[in-house]
Amino acid sequence: DAGVIQSPRHEVTEMGQEVTLRCKPISGHNSLFWYRQTMMRGLELLIYFNNNVPIDDSGMPEDRFSAKMPNASFSTLKIQPSEPRDSAVYFCASSQLQGTYNEQFFGPGTRLTVL
Amino acid sequence: GDSVTQMEGPVTLSEEAFLTINCTYTATGYPSLFWYVQYPGEGLQLLLKATKADDKGSNKGFEATYRKETTSFHLEKGSVQVSDSAVYFCALRYAGNKLTFGGGTRVLVKP
Repeated sequence: DAGVIQSPRHEVTEMGQEVTLRCKPISGHNSLFWYRQTMMRGLELLIYFNNNVPIDDSGMPEDRFSAKMPNASFSTLKIQPSEPRDSAVYFCASSQLQGTYNEQFFGPGTRLTVL
Repeated sequence: GDSVTQMEGPVTLSEEAFLTINCTYTATGYPSLFWYVQYPGEGLQLLLKATKADDKGSNKGFEATYRKETTSFHLEKGSVQVSDSAVYFCALRYAGNKLTFGGGTRVLVKP
């Protein structure tokens, strides 16, 4: 299995630009999570989806952030406009919804730098 | 609300030393407990888990026991290697899928 796939792996952009991060979950998984990791704030859950439906977006910092999951095999996290404080590593994770041992599998992350 | 507290790092050890990372949690019910590990430049990987009180999770020489009476899930390894250098995250989860993570503990093992 290919695991969770994220693209791009690295993104450098200028303040004010739109940034789109992409995620392909593991086939057969029906829960998807977006996290942000920074030195200052640690690992934060931004939003998660069950069966393509957003369940909890309380971690989304502000209206500049939006996430979509148009189908079971693809999700995007968009930042518009981007700001330097958005610089972080963004992780996508997926899991099966049911079952006791529904482990979350993490992708390699996208390192975002906003200048 | 639910929360997870880990000892702050970094923890610096020599190879073959004993490692303990403390983790305590606050929760209203009986969550499942997890340890995740993040190696440099990578995403998090599940290291071990326990789903009920007194369960012991183990993997790669690491162990942790779910202690309901002390609301703890401390991670231990008897003899660390340089390759164990990483950041370790304690986490809890209820029946839903949402994980609540601790702040992470960086471990550095020197040869």
